[in-house]
This record gives sequence, structure tokens and C-alpha cells, in this order.
Amino acid sequence: DAKTTQPNSMESNEEEPVHLPCNHSTISGTDYIHWYRQLPSQGPEYVIHGLTSNVNNRMASLAIAEDRKSSTLILHRATLRDAAVYYCILRVGNAGNMLTFGGGTRLMVKP
Amino acid sequence: DTGVSQDPRHKITKRGQNVTFRCDPISEHNRLYWYRQTLGQGPEFLTYFQNEAQLEKSRLLSDRFSAERPKGSFSTLEIQRTEQGDSAMYLCASRAGTATNYGYTFGSGTRLTVV
Repeated sequence: DAKTTQPNSMESNEEEPVHLPCNHSTISGTDYIHWYRQLPSQGPEYVIHGLTSNVNNRMASLAIAEDRKSSTLILHRATLRDAAVYYCILRVGNAGNMLTFGGGTRLMVKP
Repeated sequence: DTGVSQDPRHKITKRGQNVTFRCDPISEHNRLYWYRQTLGQGPEFLTYFQNEAQLEKSRLLSDRFSAERPKGSFSTLEIQRTEQGDSAMYLCASRAGTATNYGYTFGSGTRLTVV
């Protein structure tokens, strides 16, 4: 799987928007962009995924650059429960069965 | 459906002992995955089942590790002759094997401590 690059950590204030960046300059045309998050003492949790177009769901929004070499996960109003490690992962189409996790971004939310 | 269940949540064992973990996936999910996660790192892939067939194994899965998924339902991961380096969180995930890119559902993991 192609590699992703994320900042090690970010801080946010509660109730403010958070933009978590991810670079994936070697992405190929069939790679989907997945985001997972892992809360303390829990397994990773699916957040959102996309291919080319921006995506919205109840948890977050995913903004994908036009050249697809970067993407941004947007939490519209951070809460203390959003404090977690956020992983940006590329996965090949319908093949490539496993997810390859990097180090992720540790998001800290201040009250 | 309560999601992916893993048992036990915690296991402390002495070096050299054998341990077995169990994973119960979401019932309609035919694909099941095992991952290992050490402190401060992202999860690392260990192995993958489609129904009862073990289709992929990582080089991390040494010959002391064995995984099974009889009848394509629950799965077990056994570690023989445990070593201190085996101390980690062992995560199980499942997903439906459909054509679209649905997300994986992870369990809360089994934390293994080898003393």
C-alpha cells in the first residue's frame, strides 16, 4: 500500500473545528482514502472513507485534494470524546485485504 | 448485534506458557483479521480469513503463532511458548466481503502481558 504522512500530534479547543491533514503523494488511481480513530483502550473505529469526491457523514467530513495527493479529515466541533489517535490509510480498491496503519495523529482536545 | 467481541480482555502469563484468544466477529461478516499493537504504534496486520480459509499471513506470524476459524464463525489465535516480546494488544476485526469499500469493525482487543 502507498504510504501516508501525518503530524504526530495536534491540539484543539473544545467546540472548535479540527482539520487533520494527511499527505499521500504516491497514491494510485485505485487507492481509497480511509480514516480510522482509536480511543484510549479501544480498537480502531471507522470514521470515513473516500476516493475522489469530498464525503460527509455523521462523524466527520473528508476533503480530498483535486490531485488526490493529500486529504483532510474535518471534525466540525471537537468534543473531549474526540481525543484519540487518528489514522489515515490508503487501501487498494476492492483488493488488498488488510489495512496498513502508520503512526497516526494524536489529537488532544482542551476544554 | 453487539459488534466484534474479544475474550479475554486482559491476560497475564508467564514466559513459556501457551495462551489462546478468541474473537467473535459480526455474524454476517465473512472476513476476519487479526492485528497486533504495541504501545505507541499503530496496529500491525497478522493474518486474515475469508470464511474458514486462512488466506494471508504476515511474516510477523512466527511458527509459535497459529490462528483458526472453524466453520467460518469465531476465530482463535494461539501463541505457544510465549516470550516477553509477545506482550501487546491483539486486535480482531471483521468486515463484510462485498464489492464496496465498507469499513472494518474492530473489537476492543486482548491485552497480553508476558512476565
